[in-house]
Amino acid sequence: EADIYQTPRYLVIGTGKKITLECSQTMGHDKMYWYQQDPGMELHLIHYSYGVNSTEKGDLSSESTVSRIRTEHFPLTLESARPSHTSQYLCASSEYTGDTQYFGPGTRLTVL
Amino acid sequence: KQEVTQIPAALSVPEGENLVLNCSFTDSAIYNLQWFRQDPGKGLTSLLLIQSSQREQTSGRLNASLDKSSGRSTLYIAASQPGDSATYLCAVSQVSGNTPLVFGKGTRLSVIA
Repeated sequence: EADIYQTPRYLVIGTGKKITLECSQTMGHDKMYWYQQDPGMELHLIHYSYGVNSTEKGDLSSESTVSRIRTEHFPLTLESARPSHTSQYLCASSEYTGDTQYFGPGTRLTVL
Repeated sequence: KQEVTQIPAALSVPEGENLVLNCSFTDSAIYNLQWFRQDPGKGLTSLLLIQSSQREQTSGRLNASLDKSSGRSTLYIAASQPGDSATYLCAVSQVSGNTPLVFGKGTRLSVIA
C-alpha cells in the first residue's frame, strides 16, 4: 500500500475562510500532483510539482495555490473559500513523470 | 488536446461473468496508459500500467490491452466478484503538453451476487 496521506479527510467550512489541505508522502518521490474531482466526473489536474521549489499549474484553472518546500510535503491553500470550491481534492505522487501515480485517500471539501 | 473516453459509463453484471471495459484516446503520442480503480469516496488504486511499446499487461484476473495506433485500450476482468464493484478509470501519460496524466470519466461497475 502506498504511503501517501491527506488531512483532513472531510472539511465543512464557511465562505471566506482560508484553508490548507495537507498532503505528505514517505516514498521520497520527486513528482507530486493535486487533482480536483466533482462527483461522477473525471479528475482534473490543478497543480503539480517536479521537485522542491518547483510548482506548475495544471490544465484546470484553480484559485488555489501550492508550495513545495520539502520533498515529502505538498500543501494546497485556498485563501478565501467559496461554494464553487466544493469538491473532492486528491493528492498523488510518482517516482518520475509517466510512472505509476500513487494516490492519497482524498479530502472532501464542502464550502457553505 | 488529448481526450480520453470510457464506454460504458456504467455496467451491471452478475457474479462470475467475464467483462470488458473500453477506453479510447484521441492522441496516440503517449508514454503509457494506466488503469485505476476508485472505490466510493476514496482515492485511486493503480491496477495496471502498459508502456506505449507493449500490447498487454496481466495481473491476476485482470488483463489490459493497448492498441496505440488506433487509440484504444481494454480492461478485461475474468470471473467477476462483488468485490470488483468500483469505478474503473483509464488515464494516458502524454509525450507533449504539461499535463502528466489525462483521465477518462470512468466506468462504474456493479457486480451482483
